[in-house]
Amino acid sequence: EPEVTQTPSHQVTQMGQEVILRCVPISNHLYFYWYRQILGQKVEFLVSFYNNEISEKSEIFDDQFSVERPDGSNFTLKIRSTKLEDSAMYFCASSATLLAREQYFGPGTRLTVT
Amino acid sequence: GQQVMQIPQYQHVQEGEDFTTYCNSSTTLSNIQWYKQRPGGHPVFLIQLVKSGEVKKQKRLTFQFGEAKKNSSLHITATQTTDVGTYFCAGPGAGNNRKLIWGLGTSLAVNP
Repeated sequence: EPEVTQTPSHQVTQMGQEVILRCVPISNHLYFYWYRQILGQKVEFLVSFYNNEISEKSEIFDDQFSVERPDGSNFTLKIRSTKLEDSAMYFCASSATLLAREQYFGPGTRLTVT
Repeated sequence: GQQVMQIPQYQHVQEGEDFTTYCNSSTTLSNIQWYKQRPGGHPVFLIQLVKSGEVKKQKRLTFQFGEAKKNSSLHITATQTTDVGTYFCAGPGAGNNRKLIWGLGTSLAVNP
């Protein structure tokens, strides 16, 4: 069964450093998403992406964040200058079309900022 | 802003007991989705409800969407240890389907 993959599974970085989290969505999906989940808390929407541009972003997704689809398969989230409060699990998700509203999640990247 | 609320936040049950989690939105939803997240895992899509008053069943799980499309519930009959996890409801952001607004989730613990 097709699945969303994410790398790395765990990333440790120092405050102020840049990190890039990588995702490979399901191949025939058109909509891509990033979410984050601070340990034990709810899933928070960050950004949605369609047709090579951001469709929607939350107030969390400030200028420190950017997303990119550099090729036909990868979807990346960059945090330019990490802060301690960026420590969380970051999930990538994809969906087939806007009408196929169910989203398929990757296993997540645990980001630890020290 | 738009909010999705879930109660209870935690629930401990004995294996074999029933379990229900409730979801309420501050706005009318075009649809509601339910996800399950096992401890240490990622959210997994369970079901989507679209119609007012809709009821769907998946084995021991029963999902309902309220008549006003502002609330929903998930009921598990005769819980098993495999039901352990956090159950989230999520609804589309106002005016579009390009983001999901998530509830806080209900964490279910099942004592064998």
